[in-house]
Amino acid sequence: EILLTQSPATLSLSPGERATLSCRASQSVSSSLAWYQQKPGQAPRLLIYDASNRATGIPARFSGGGSGTDFSLTISSLEPEDFAVYYCQQRSNWPPEATFGQGTKVEIK
Amino acid sequence: QVRLQESGPGLVKSSETLSLTCTVSGGSMNSYYWSWIRQSPGKGLEWIGYIYYSGTTNYNPSLKSRVSISVDTSKNQFSLRLSSVTAADTAVYYCARNYCGSTICHLYFDYWGQGTLVTVSS
Repeated sequence: EILLTQSPATLSLSPGERATLSCRASQSVSSSLAWYQQKPGQAPRLLIYDASNRATGIPARFSGGGSGTDFSLTISSLEPEDFAVYYCQQRSNWPPEATFGQGTKVEIK
Repeated sequence: QVRLQESGPGLVKSSETLSLTCTVSGGSMNSYYWSWIRQSPGKGLEWIGYIYYSGTTNYNPSLKSRVSISVDTSKNQFSLRLSSVTAADTAVYYCARNYCGSTICHLYFDYWGQGTLVTVSS
């Protein structure tokens, strides 16, 4: 099983600041990685797939990068609605399997 | 707009079988894969398995011996059964649609239900 480690666990920032979140895989996942945003009491929302592609309706301030074992999610300028928990997720083709990281909480400083 | 809604008992006794149904509205189930995912404080987000609209399934190896997912496209529903539950199976259970691009589907999740809390009691 491929393990995903996210860092930091918590990121304290102010609105308007830049946020950079990290996700490291225990072995190469190529570009097969997604990012989700989850707010309290809500289901996760797909932000980024295949490492760098924004999902439908996702604002341009969200961008993803990386390949192999090291990935990042950048929020260029934090809006009030961006304070949430963010998860990375990798997918394997065979056997089909998906695993999630433990999450990074972006909180208001 | 595709919507998913989970339904089923919120309380299940230890050693019994957990059963949930997901109803899909606003779109067809055809040509898509449909997944169950759960979230608990202890284990975080965990993919349980998926089913194709035609009935093909794949399960998380860690749960494979206890899981069964079925589909009824005439009702626009798919269902989860998890047997021999313990307290470790207490979680919020989500149903979700697997993401499909223009030519291929992937094990990402673009539409989710609101989630339903299932508690396993002793």
